Amino acid sequence: RKEVEQDPGPFNVPEGATVAFNCTYSNSASQSFFWYRQDCRKEPKLLMSVYSSGNEDGRFTAQLNRASQYISLLIRDSKLSDSATYLCVVMRSNDYKLSFGAGTTVTVRA
Amino acid sequence: GAVVSQHPSRVICKSGTSVKIECRSLDFQATTMFWYRQFPKQSLMLMATSNEGSKATYEQGVEKDKFLINHASLTLSTLTVTSAHPEDSSFYICSAPQEGAFKEQYFGPGTRLTVT
Repeated sequence: RKEVEQDPGPFNVPEGATVAFNCTYSNSASQSFFWYRQDCRKEPKLLMSVYSSGNEDGRFTAQLNRASQYISLLIRDSKLSDSATYLCVVMRSNDYKLSFGAGTTVTVRA
Repeated sequence: GAVVSQHPSRVICKSGTSVKIECRSLDFQATTMFWYRQFPKQSLMLMATSNEGSKATYEQGVEKDKFLINHASLTLSTLTVTSAHPEDSSFYICSAPQEGAFKEQYFGPGTRLTVT
């Protein structure tokens, strides 16, 4: 079983729409959680950390459910520039190694 | 924010040759760096942890004699793909956490290796 599993999508949404997707992780010892964004053929860039209480950064809202071991990301008022692959990432606390999901592709159309 | 560079950004080599990829932290020191590999439409897979002043630690299934890692200084780690084969063609990315802030990992721009 993969450590981090994501719905690959693609999610194809019009500008202004809301899109949400989840990922699940298998290691209950994981301590830190992130969403990264990766554009085609580029390196991942940190979008936001995910906290137990849930957190919001502008149009992006992340939630963590430790009991069910899933993380979600919601994008409101989608922009064309939001088109990318979103990577769910978890970090083990003892060695700081990151485990990546395969990514969820989002395409925002005009 | 912190910057990590990689060189080269793209390389094409023939089967059987070796290729060296450099990862540098430009404005901070990194005693630890991580090397990842990403095949098309797949997730980044951690290959190894590069440790300044000591041997690298490799993930299960990664051949340490094929992927040589040298953490020469607090700002430089190199990955050498030895005796490259076409199946080694991939996107190689390094990351470096800032000291004391391991949650902040900064990624290099990646190196696209094509072995012909």
